[in-house]
Amino acid sequence: QLQLQESGSGLVKPSQTLSLTCAVSNGSLSSGGYSWNWIRQLPGKGLEWIGYIYHSGSPYYNPSLKSRVTISVDRSKNHFSLKLNSLTAADTGLYFCARGDSSGEFDYWGQGTLVTVSS
Amino acid sequence: DIQMTQSPSSLSASVGDRVTITCQASQDITNYLNWYQQRPGKAPKIVIFDASRLKTGVPSRFSGSGSGSHFTFTITSLQPEDIATYYCQQYDDLPYTFGQGTKLEIK
Repeated sequence: QLQLQESGSGLVKPSQTLSLTCAVSNGSLSSGGYSWNWIRQLPGKGLEWIGYIYHSGSPYYNPSLKSRVTISVDRSKNHFSLKLNSLTAADTGLYFCARGDSSGEFDYWGQGTLVTVSS
Repeated sequence: DIQMTQSPSSLSASVGDRVTITCQASQDITNYLNWYQQRPGKAPKIVIFDASRLKTGVPSRFSGSGSGSHFTFTITSLQPEDIATYYCQQYDDLPYTFGQGTKLEIK
């Protein structure tokens, strides 16, 4: 069964850059037809889709975050990454990576990683 | 962006009850709607896709219906393990957007 696992900086200072990686195991992110997504859950709020990338390297970002986000893929390491810059306390929350299929369904998720923005 | 409005935001029901959650899209999304279950401390899990199709392995007490801009999610006989927050999600247009969630509790 496909597994996704997030890793990266859990505590980040305001104005700095968040860096997270999602490792894909028991499968290849080069499999055609799937998108590789980042989704976050802010305290007291619901789920917010951040963006996706395909194995070919074509990203799409949520316009609300577009100016601060970069998603990249490393096929040799079978992982994809998220960078979010100019962090504020409002970015504190749980960050998930997830696979998206061709029908927009997020069918496999990582367990989530807590990110805290604090000095 | 397409706004997804869920109601109610929270719901308390007894074991065996029928539970219904609604999701309203700000525009026609045909049937491009999914429902997720998020248990406490866990990642969301897909339950219903394409508005009404049950994901393999999900109990048949779960169902979804609707098209256009109005959708419903139903649990026909609530079980203790159904305690979770449920989210709708549209994939008609980017950016993908979610409803704000419905927190389901046992009375």
